Amino acid sequence: LAKTTQPISMDSYEGQEVNITCSHNNIATNDYITWYQQFPSQGPRFIIQGYKTKVTNEVASLFIPADRKSSTLSLPRVSLSDTAVYYCLVGRTDKLIFGTGTRLQVFP
Amino acid sequence: ETGVTQTPRHLVMGMTNKKSLKCEQHLGHNAMYWYKQSAKKPLELMFVYNFKEQTENNSVPSRFSPECPNSSHLFLHLHTLQPEDSALYLCASSQDASADTQYFGPGTRLTVL
Repeated sequence: LAKTTQPISMDSYEGQEVNITCSHNNIATNDYITWYQQFPSQGPRFIIQGYKTKVTNEVASLFIPADRKSSTLSLPRVSLSDTAVYYCLVGRTDKLIFGTGTRLQVFP
Repeated sequence: ETGVTQTPRHLVMGMTNKKSLKCEQHLGHNAMYWYKQSAKKPLELMFVYNFKEQTENNSVPSRFSPECPNSSHLFLHLHTLQPEDSALYLCASSQDASADTQYFGPGTRLTVL
């Protein structure tokens, strides 16, 4: 089972770009990397997913180096509403291990 | 709105009560999951159903009893719970159990008195 490691918390200010890095040293060849966002007392929400290189959608970008042992979620110009916990997950859905995630606090 | 609904959203029950949590997905998925999230703890996977068959039970106490009558519905039957079972119970679904992405419901906040 691929376990991930992320910073426990990060602080930022509105309008800044935030980069959250996740390490997954034992990622398997077929594993995708998925990031979720969770607000208090709500279910996690899918943000972005990738396999290699760079993926971008309307919410975020995901950077994955060639060795795939880490990934970086990039949130451009964060706002107060981006304050949440962000989870990096690797592998198939019936074997996922949720860690503590990264608690992002955005200040005015 | 992710296409996964859960009822009730909040539940308070005594230790001798019997209650059930319901989850329904409108995504045409074949796998459904129950997770438990206690205060300030990571999500813990409890049960996995794939094509209506239970494929994972992560050492969950027998006072939690899942039921999956079809691919769209998942229940969690609760009886003789303990106060430490108070948590947010989340349901999720995916295309199948080997998929890459799960979609979560809003959760049921359970309080056991």
